Amino acid sequence: QVQLVQSGAEVKKPGASVKVSCKASGYTFAYNTIHWVRQAPGQRLEWMGWLNPGNGNTKYSQKFQDRVTITRDTSANTAYMELSSLRSEDTAVYYCARATWAKDFDYWGRGTLVTVSS
Amino acid sequence: QSALTQPASVSGSPGQSITISCTGTSSDVGGYNYVCWYQQHPGKVPKLMIYEVSNRPSGVPDRFSGSKSGNTASLTISGLQAEDEADYYCSSYTSSSSYVFGTGTKVTVL
Repeated sequence: QVQLVQSGAEVKKPGASVKVSCKASGYTFAYNTIHWVRQAPGQRLEWMGWLNPGNGNTKYSQKFQDRVTITRDTSANTAYMELSSLRSEDTAVYYCARATWAKDFDYWGRGTLVTVSS
Repeated sequence: QSALTQPASVSGSPGQSITISCTGTSSDVGGYNYVCWYQQHPGKVPKLMIYEVSNRPSGVPDRFSGSKSGNTASLTISGLQAEDEADYYCSSYTSSSSYVFGTGTKVTVL
């Protein structure tokens, strides 16, 4: 069965960076794009960017363009999302999700809580 | 990319029908049939309910239906049930090869 397993919660200081992992299993990693979506406490879902694991191509939301990097390790079937220059407003649950050909997200990770606090 | 516009809240009694709107632009909702809807219960992971405007994934009850007209997509829940109380988000693919979510709608079953 398809699974996306994310790394554990993180606490970071303002100005630091965080790197969250998302390990895929149960399907061919290269066949579906992986997306990152975040949700601040009590707020809406917010799309951050996607990665094509097959060729490494990425696309980022303009809002995060300067601070986010999405990469992958194909040997480990794992995608990574790194967010830099953290501020308190980046406190959120970060989800990875698999996209289908119909451009919907059919499987999601359980989310990783990132807390930014001095 | 601005968020798609949804009503903040919609409510209905058990058995009634409710409709949630999702308004975008010709660069997203109006330009593609890649509109989908997610249900999210408190503290839970979003769940795909509708894809490609009106298709239901396996396992989603047929009381959930989707449609689109111009730049506005809609999710209708017929025969509202207590377990339908949740937050609902629309999402669309966009002309810049990115994605955008809606502002979210809290559905309350009275």
